[in-house]
Amino acid sequence: DGGITQSPKYLFRKEGQNVTLSCEQNLNHDAMYWYRQDPGQGLRLIYYSQIVNDFQKGDIAEGYSVSREKKESFPLTVTSAQKNPTAFYLCASSPASAQGVDTQYFGPGTRLTVL
Amino acid sequence: AQKITQTQPGMFVQEKEAVTLDCTYDTSDPSYGLFWYKQPSSGEMIFLIYQGSYDQQNATEGRYSLNFQKARKSANLVISASQLGDSAMYFCAMRGLNTGNQFYFGTGTSLTVIP
Repeated sequence: DGGITQSPKYLFRKEGQNVTLSCEQNLNHDAMYWYRQDPGQGLRLIYYSQIVNDFQKGDIAEGYSVSREKKESFPLTVTSAQKNPTAFYLCASSPASAQGVDTQYFGPGTRLTVL
Repeated sequence: AQKITQTQPGMFVQEKEAVTLDCTYDTSDPSYGLFWYKQPSSGEMIFLIYQGSYDQQNATEGRYSLNFQKARKSANLVISASQLGDSAMYFCAMRGLNTGNQFYFGTGTSLTVIP
């Protein structure tokens, strides 16, 4: 089945540790995104990538890093520099076109809790 | 700058009734797309409906319709014959021609369907 997978579903981290959230898609989409969602809040863009080996910072990139070595993979690392990382993280992908009904498709999300 | 505004943090509707969720937007892009997503308590984001800025007719998808008023820059979601399963968060989003692949989200509206 085509879609986006994120792992793990739940992740616990001790303060001061880096953790990496996985995001894989088999939709052959060029663009991939990472969002952060806090309870009762909307989505805030962390990073996005339009092609392999290229990515741009979103609104809240500080304390996060990404890589895009393969089209289908866009892992997100939450570093110890992120002061308040406890949140729900959503990965998404979309075709590269900026027109038409090229919606984003979302993964199931990873819930990160810092202990 | 692109901005999406959802002014209703929470809405209640009686089962089988219709409900309108408000969304206004601001953009200088000549061409853009407007999207609505549903987020149940499980966290996944589900694409509901799309409206292109040059579409002459309002979009419809089953029980969902989009009341698009371009001059007022509003794109309200109408859900007809509400069902208990419609209880969820609803997000309005926009993607502009000149902003490439970046999507902009509102803060969401929590809809509760009352039996």
